[in-house]
Amino acid sequence: ETGVTQTPRHLVMGMTNKKSLKCEQHLGHNAMYWYKQSAKKPLELMFVYSLEERVENNSVPSRFSPECPNSSHLFLHLHTLQPEDSALYLCASSQDRSVGNTIYFGEGSWLTVV
Amino acid sequence: DQQVKQNSPSLSVQEGRISILNCDYTNSMFDYFLWYKKYPAEGPTFLISISSIKDKNEDGRFTVFLNKSAKHLSLHIVPSQPGDSAVYFCAASARNRDDKIIFGKGTRLHILP
Repeated sequence: ETGVTQTPRHLVMGMTNKKSLKCEQHLGHNAMYWYKQSAKKPLELMFVYSLEERVENNSVPSRFSPECPNSSHLFLHLHTLQPEDSALYLCASSQDRSVGNTIYFGEGSWLTVV
Repeated sequence: DQQVKQNSPSLSVQEGRISILNCDYTNSMFDYFLWYKKYPAEGPTFLISISSIKDKNEDGRFTVFLNKSAKHLSLHIVPSQPGDSAVYFCAASARNRDDKIIFGKGTRLHILP
């Protein structure tokens, strides 16, 4: 139990569907992240939020839309995804954005796009 | 171009022996390095880190060695235990430049009985 909870753990969606991934952290952290883990590829940073403000977007397609309503919650809204978007999506948090602060990951949401 | 490379996708080690996981990096600006461990169906968990001002950091059975001139770091696990079977990710960051953490592709460690 890392203090970062992701739901759902598994999601299968069609290319025309709209769904959302949810992340909640109970650690009092100020920074939250979305990462993508595809098979045989390094972890890819998608979005960074610091104090509820998006501070980084690593050239992620607009079919992925993050939302951070408060410092404890982070969403990833998904629409018109492609099969190649199937991957493990990991939410993480840290005290703040300074490196040297350990990043705590959630268990991940396995996404399959059919 | 991968800035953090873990060239061994998998490694098998006998229980009780030493496991050595290797990581190479290309960016000389990196000054902070981390290892994460990941079990199937779980997110990565932080294991151990090292700052570039050190060449060794030890925590129980885990020791990380940093060779800055070779741009190489390694994680030693001794003695290896069955619960150490997992994927290990090496990660690096340049704190003075930006705070992005760059991950390697991971190495799957199998501890053999």
